[in-house]
Amino acid sequence: DQQVKQNSPSLSVQEGRISILNCDYTNSMFDYFLWYKKYPAEGPTFLISISSIKDKNEDGRFTVFLNKSAKHLSLHIVPSQPGDSAVYFCAASEVYNAGNMLTFGGGTRLMVKP
Amino acid sequence: DSGVTQTPKHLITATGQRVTLRCSPRSGDLSVYWYQQSLDQGLQFLIQYYNGEERAKGNILERFSAQQFPDLHSELNLSSLELGDSALYFCASSAMGTGELFFGEGSRLTVL
Repeated sequence: DQQVKQNSPSLSVQEGRISILNCDYTNSMFDYFLWYKKYPAEGPTFLISISSIKDKNEDGRFTVFLNKSAKHLSLHIVPSQPGDSAVYFCAASEVYNAGNMLTFGGGTRLMVKP
Repeated sequence: DSGVTQTPKHLITATGQRVTLRCSPRSGDLSVYWYQQSLDQGLQFLIQYYNGEERAKGNILERFSAQQFPDLHSELNLSSLELGDSALYFCASSAMGTGELFFGEGSRLTVL
């Protein structure tokens, strides 16, 4: 039972354009969501997060949108840069459950072409 | 550099063997988590420790066990290894009360 799903295994965009990565979840107890970026041979690194009391959080070129009724979140990267090419993981947690245990999606490989 | 250290980085062993993966969390972090990533798939939560006590358990096999020591480092023990145990094993740590986990670079286990 996959509680967090990233239905697009890969995405290719042109440099300077917008990248939109999507994530769906099924557990209505999730109320904190994060995006992680992973380069080959490295561990995942935290990118941006959003609490369920918000519907948008912005940090520079990265914006995360949360639609609680649809149980859907998305990560927008504008403008996309070749250095953004990596695997992006969506993750979710029940804040009050077992202290920050994260459930991850399967990841989306983003390729930004120069 | 996340501040989380994992050793060894690479490990090749045979079926039926036993290995131990080690993790040192970021300074001051009391929580340690173990995740498994197989074949470019997502990260599967295995187990969490907080200040030496087991806090949460995921889909961890009975052949696998972990512990967190008084100095807060953690070890993941994998025994009776099978080919399907080949994977990247990540350790992460966090300060309780924050949602962000900090991951190590992972230990790549290959079972032949």
